[in-house]
Amino acid sequence: NAGVTQTPKFQVLKTGQSMTLQCAQDMNHNSMYWYRQDPGMGLRLIYYSASEGTTDKGEVPNGYNVSRLNKREFSLRLESAAPSQTSVYFCASSANTGPNSPLHFGNGTRLTVT
Amino acid sequence: AQTVTQSQPEMSVQEAETVTLSCTYDTSESDYYLFWYKQPPSRQMILVIRQEAYKQQNATENRFSVNFQKAAKSFSLKISDSQLGDAAMYFCAYRSAYTDKLIFGTGTRLQVFP
Repeated sequence: NAGVTQTPKFQVLKTGQSMTLQCAQDMNHNSMYWYRQDPGMGLRLIYYSASEGTTDKGEVPNGYNVSRLNKREFSLRLESAAPSQTSVYFCASSANTGPNSPLHFGNGTRLTVT
Repeated sequence: AQTVTQSQPEMSVQEAETVTLSCTYDTSESDYYLFWYKQPPSRQMILVIRQEAYKQQNATENRFSVNFQKAAKSFSLKISDSQLGDAAMYFCAYRSAYTDKLIFGTGTRLQVFP
């Protein structure tokens, strides 16, 4: 059971470079999320998608774009990376069986911007 | 906007003892769901327990229980008979019943001493 798969696991970028973080889930979940985790800040929601074709801003969307390509995939793009975007990024998904459905998380991507 | 506050950055407990982690939240919504997630050093996010706001009865999962005080907007986690494997970061989370948005607190690092 793959669950939620994130790629890559690690990435180093120079300031100004762009990249896309990929996320795919094989649980037929409707909702998908992108979070960033920073020391002392917990997990902060960047964007989420309640269903295929819809996306909404979270707490910290600036500097990011997302695409819900289909029901399985939800990508996060950094157009011009900045050192402030150095973080661990988590993708998660949730079944649409109700708000008490737990989130299933990927293993995270550690991104360093120099 | 909803907020989740965990005022204890670090807590420690002796093996077999009981510890309580605090969480408060702020919302104007009447219907919502609350969660506790555990993040061990592996970085994996694991659901510990969840509570529906409309239920007065406190949720319990084996050694884990919550004290949910809706009027006070408080949602604390009690871990009984603490084990070494309970050492981890613990995150409190709030999910609206009206959107798919789920937000986290800043976390509490729990250490368990033999």
